[in-house]
Amino acid sequence: DVKVTQSSRYLVKRTGEKVFLECVQDMDHENMFWYRQDPGLGLRLIYFSYDVKMKEKGDIPEGYSVSREKKERFSLILESASTNQTSMYLCASSTTTGGRETQYFGPGTRLLVL
Amino acid sequence: DQQVKQNSPSLSVQEGRISILNCDYTNSMFDYFLWYKKYPAEGPTFLISISSIKDKNEDGRFTVFLNKSAKHLSLHIVPSQPGDSAVYFCAACRTGTASKLTFGTGTRLQVTL
Repeated sequence: DVKVTQSSRYLVKRTGEKVFLECVQDMDHENMFWYRQDPGLGLRLIYFSYDVKMKEKGDIPEGYSVSREKKERFSLILESASTNQTSMYLCASSTTTGGRETQYFGPGTRLLVL
Repeated sequence: DQQVKQNSPSLSVQEGRISILNCDYTNSMFDYFLWYKKYPAEGPTFLISISSIKDKNEDGRFTVFLNKSAKHLSLHIVPSQPGDSAVYFCAACRTGTASKLTFGTGTRLQVTL
């Protein structure tokens, strides 16, 4: 079974703090993703990565950065947290076979920015 | 611009009956579609998928139908069980675009006894 783990289930931070969200997958997948989930908006892609040290902006990258130094680990960084970044953050990983893939998600991190 | 739409935010169905969840898309380049199920405080889990070369895919109690001309897909769950109560997300992508899944806003299914 694919296992995607996220470092924290719940986080409370103050406005202006630097926040690190860590994600680790154990299936040697090339691709990793960060989404946020908000009521009425579904899942929106923040950043994704095809390979180590590679990253691509998703649909809502503003206010976020990412780091992928090792294949199994993908970090999401909020340089200066703001209240509008209060959300559920979901990490996923996938591999591509024949042009098709399935993304496997971690349990999510619920972030509250005060 | 919401390219994948789930117009029903919620649905309530009696146990044993059929649940039908709907999804519409606007991007004609999408050729692969997936359904995910999400319980509270958990990440989404993959349920079933369908390629645009098919119009139906079945896996146990779950069947996905694709109508390409209408740009519409639906997930049928029969018979519905209380454990099916969750939020269901429809997602779509274009083969070869390396992972760019576009998700709908989700439909909360409640299966009542």
